[in-house]
Amino acid sequence: AQSVTQLDSQVPVFEEAPVELRCNYSSSVSVYLFWYVQYPNQGLQLLLKYLSGSTLVKGINGFEAEFNKSQTSFHLRKPSVHISDTAEYFCAVSAHSGYSTLTFGKGTMLLVSP
Amino acid sequence: EAQVTQNPRYLITVTGKKLTVTCSQNMNHEYMSWYRQDPGLGLRQIYYSMNVEVTDKGDVPEGYKVSRKEKRNFPLILESPSPNQTSLYFCASSAGLASATQYFGPGTRLTVL
Repeated sequence: AQSVTQLDSQVPVFEEAPVELRCNYSSSVSVYLFWYVQYPNQGLQLLLKYLSGSTLVKGINGFEAEFNKSQTSFHLRKPSVHISDTAEYFCAVSAHSGYSTLTFGKGTMLLVSP
Repeated sequence: EAQVTQNPRYLITVTGKKLTVTCSQNMNHEYMSWYRQDPGLGLRQIYYSMNVEVTDKGDVPEGYKVSRKEKRNFPLILESPSPNQTSLYFCASSAGLASATQYFGPGTRLTVL
């Protein structure tokens, strides 16, 4: 079984500041790693995912994440946030050997203020 | 446009009154899934389906039923809803592999009185 821990439930930040949303996972098997974003009153959409290869993954809207196998982490970063980045962000994993079944973290609410 | 649709988007009902939330996808995806989202708990999987006539329980299946008679549709059925099933529900679909992106519907906000 897998589990995902998002260490911060809320992250307040000012516009144009950098941000890091933290994600750690636990699994006895190899996993794929995902970040999804949920804008207010919408469904989730994929921000980025790590499948293999380079540990630095670039996604949409200027976000990137780095896979660290030794620390079992997949932290999400953006060098300069905008008001429009205000949303809830979910880290998720799926086991290599399984179907497309995601285990989600509890989410981190990113609050960007002017 | 590739999309997952859910209906209704909002529903208020009373305890014990059977209801169905529909989900449809137009991407010819094999895999479909239902999640519920509750504050502080993230998304938890209710049921999933790997193909037509193949369904399996997720993490929180109690009180729910599903069916997959056609590839594009995956309805969620609450035979006797209770207040603890008040939640935000999402349907999702994907090509099926563990590496595949899941595409989510817009959500159904259900209130059971």
